[in-house]
Amino acid sequence: DVKVTQSSRYLVKRTGEKVFLECVQDMDHENMFWYRQDPGLGLRLIYFSYDVKMKEKGDIPEGYSVSREKKERFSLILESASTNQTSMYLCASSWGLPSNQPQHFGDGTRLSIL
Amino acid sequence: EDKVVQSPLSLVVHEGDTVTLNCSYEVTNFRSLLWYKQEKKAPTFLFMLTSSGIEKKSGRLSSILDKKELFSILNITATQTGDSAIYLCAVRGGYTGANSKLTFGKGITLSVRP
Repeated sequence: DVKVTQSSRYLVKRTGEKVFLECVQDMDHENMFWYRQDPGLGLRLIYFSYDVKMKEKGDIPEGYSVSREKKERFSLILESASTNQTSMYLCASSWGLPSNQPQHFGDGTRLSIL
Repeated sequence: EDKVVQSPLSLVVHEGDTVTLNCSYEVTNFRSLLWYKQEKKAPTFLFMLTSSGIEKKSGRLSSILDKKELFSILNITATQTGDSAIYLCAVRGGYTGANSKLTFGKGITLSVRP
């Protein structure tokens, strides 16, 4: 079974702090993704990565950055947290090839910015 | 821009009822449509559909795709309280070999009452 592990289930931070969300997968997947999920808006893609040190912007990258130094780990960084970044953050991974593969999700991190 | 619309947005039924969840889409160069179930944690993969008219089944759940009318349905027969969840529909477009991303709908919240 695919295992995607997010480092925290719940996190509370203050406005202006630099926040790191970590995600690790154990299936040697090439692709990794970060989404945020908000009521009434569904899942929206923030960033994705298809290889180590490679990244591409998703639909809502503003205020976020990412890091992928190792294949199994994909980090989401909130450079200066703001209250509108309070949300559920979901990490996912998938095989690179064949490219039409399901994504497998972690349990999510519920982040509150005070 | 790819677009996924799910309906209804929420639904309350009683145990034993049959439900039909709808997903319509607009996507450039359709490749696949995926259904996920999300309870309190990670979305879990249900089905991936790539061809019209071929029903996918798993126990009491089934799904079918119509690529001409650009929609899919997810049926759940003899519903149980354990079917209560958010059901997510996502589509993938783009070209074979490309690192194409999923576009998600807002999700359908299903509540099954005893």
